[in-house]
Amino acid sequence: AQSVAQPEDQVNVAEGNPLTVKCTYSVSGNPYLFWYVQYPNRGLQFLLKYITGDNLVKGSYGFEAEFNKSQTSFHLKKPSALVSDSALYFCAVRDWGTGANNLFFGTGTRLTVIP
Amino acid sequence: DTGVSQDPRHKITKRGQNVTFRCDPISEHNRLYWYRQTLGQGPEFLTYFQNEAQLEKSRLLSDRFSAERPKGSFSTLEIQRTEQGDSAMYLCASSPTGFSPSNYGYTFGSGTRLTVV
Repeated sequence: AQSVAQPEDQVNVAEGNPLTVKCTYSVSGNPYLFWYVQYPNRGLQFLLKYITGDNLVKGSYGFEAEFNKSQTSFHLKKPSALVSDSALYFCAVRDWGTGANNLFFGTGTRLTVIP
Repeated sequence: DTGVSQDPRHKITKRGQNVTFRCDPISEHNRLYWYRQTLGQGPEFLTYFQNEAQLEKSRLLSDRFSAERPKGSFSTLEIQRTEQGDSAMYLCASSPTGFSPSNYGYTFGSGTRLTVV
């Protein structure tokens, strides 16, 4: 069975400081991992994904994530946070347990960047 | 084609009424997914189409819910006899058949927010 854990419901960081949003996963197949961002009353916007290749994945808006197989983690990072990064962030893993290959999402982490 | 479109953006309905939502996927994507997102939760998978065939349905999809994709292009999700517990954001996503480093995999629409009063 697939699972995704986002251990922090809320992350606060000062503008200009580095940010990290944590994600750990459990999958029965190859880990296809994704990060999405959601702004109020909007759908999900793709940030980045890991399928294969380099463990450090670079994505949209200056975000990056590091795939760590031994720790089964895929933490989202940004070197310098902006107030506009304040949003809800979701980690997701491809669900190999169904034929749909749909995404299985974590519960989300609300990021607040303080000016 | 700029992305996945969903209509309407918002829907308020009285309990017991039927509602229908529409999703227009990215034209070259043959896979289409419906998700439901309740407040404070991540999206939960409802159902999946490959072209016009509905290949997977979650246990969340009660018999009051029905989805179609008649020509393998747009899809509709209908909820009959709505209940207050159906209030949620309904998200549609589409994807190509294969995943590669060069594509997004899944592209989501902006969602339809349903409020049942």
